[in-house]
Amino acid sequence: QKEVEQDPGPLSVPEGAIVSLNCTYSNSAFQYFMWYRQYSRKGPELLMYTYSSGNKEDGRFTAQVDKSSKYISLFIRDSQPSDSATYLCAMSSSSGSARQLTFGSGTQLTVLP
Amino acid sequence: KAGVTQTPRYLIKTRGQQVTLSCSPISGHRSVSWYQQTPGQGLQFLFEYFSETQRNKGNFPGRFSGRQFSNSRSEMNVSTLELGDSALYLCASSLGLQETQYFGPGTRLLVL
Repeated sequence: QKEVEQDPGPLSVPEGAIVSLNCTYSNSAFQYFMWYRQYSRKGPELLMYTYSSGNKEDGRFTAQVDKSSKYISLFIRDSQPSDSATYLCAMSSSSGSARQLTFGSGTQLTVLP
Repeated sequence: KAGVTQTPRYLIKTRGQQVTLSCSPISGHRSVSWYQQTPGQGLQFLFEYFSETQRNKGNFPGRFSGRQFSNSRSEMNVSTLELGDSALYLCASSLGLQETQYFGPGTRLLVL
């Protein structure tokens, strides 16, 4: 079993819909949680960064972390065709000297105009 | 501020050859990490360098190696290439070891 599980999709939604993306994890040492967006043939781009549990909002994006359930979510409001990409969750522990990221497999999202 | 740059962007090699990939971090960033991305395994951590020292290493064979220079630029080398090494190799830089990582566009390696 992988440390981080993410539904690969693909997920197709109409423009303007609310999108919910999720990851579950098994390593209770994870303290830092991130969401990256990756367009085709590009490197991942950091969208949201959260430490420990709670919610964080940035424009149309909201990240939620529930450490008790080992579950994180990314919500996209008023989705746009430009949001079509692969969304990767990533997480790391606070121990050790390096911030080694463990990624989910990514969810491919298509927003239809 | 310029982002992370990686060269070359595309590379075709044959089995048994070796390859060297280069990464220039964001100006001021001192930590560089390398990741391999494949459709089957997703994004997997290779290693991380800080102040010219390897600080952490993922579960990859010794054929994969890297180094970091005094200007924080980094190279990774893969020797005796195998077909399974075909992947997108991503470099990420951060200010320090515990800071947020920013990714470059990657080098797409095809091994024939």
